[in-house]
Amino acid sequence: KAGVTQTPRYLIKTRGQQVTLSCSPISGHRSVSWYQQTPGQGLQFLFEYFSETQRNKGNFPGRFSGRQFSNSRSEMNVSTLELGDSALYLCASRLDASTNEKLFFGSGTQLSVL
Amino acid sequence: GESVGLHLPTLSVQEGDNSIINCAYSNSASDYFIWYKQESGKGPQFIIDIRSNMDKRQGQRVTVLLNKTVKHLSLQIAATQPGDSAVYFCAENIGGSNYQLIWGAGTKLIIKP
Repeated sequence: KAGVTQTPRYLIKTRGQQVTLSCSPISGHRSVSWYQQTPGQGLQFLFEYFSETQRNKGNFPGRFSGRQFSNSRSEMNVSTLELGDSALYLCASRLDASTNEKLFFGSGTQLSVL
Repeated sequence: GESVGLHLPTLSVQEGDNSIINCAYSNSASDYFIWYKQESGKGPQFIIDIRSNMDKRQGQRVTVLLNKTVKHLSLQIAATQPGDSAVYFCAENIGGSNYQLIWGAGTKLIIKP
């Protein structure tokens, strides 16, 4: 079974631009979560989607948004990029969002904002 | 277990020795705890989990201990190998309907040859 796939692997953008990151969960997994990871702040939860609905949301500004498609694939978008948005963005999937199912992570998208 | 930033704690261990990585969690109502390992350039990988109705759980070369009295979680790795070099994260589920994990800041494990 293929793992969680994130594309692209690396991305370089400039301030003010917007970016869209993609995540394909493990087959059969219906929940997709997004995290931001920086050296100084560790893993910060962005949001979780389940059955195309946002189930949970972390404490990030409205510039960060996401969506989930009927095939469980998910995208996250960051608009009006700031230098501080430079980070590793991790996607994780699990079977269900309502139980203690463990998360399976992708390798992440490394975003650099110049 | 709140991620508070600052510098990443580091643990240096001799190859072949046992490693103990500690984690203090934040909420006495947390009912589920999990450890992840993150190697350089990769996403976190599940190691072991434990529910609050247990105080010990063993896996292959790893043991997780839970002390609810002092809200402390530890991960023990037996006979540490070079491949164990990574950052280790603990996370807690504070319960309720959201089942959302709160992540610790991570501990970097360095294996000395």
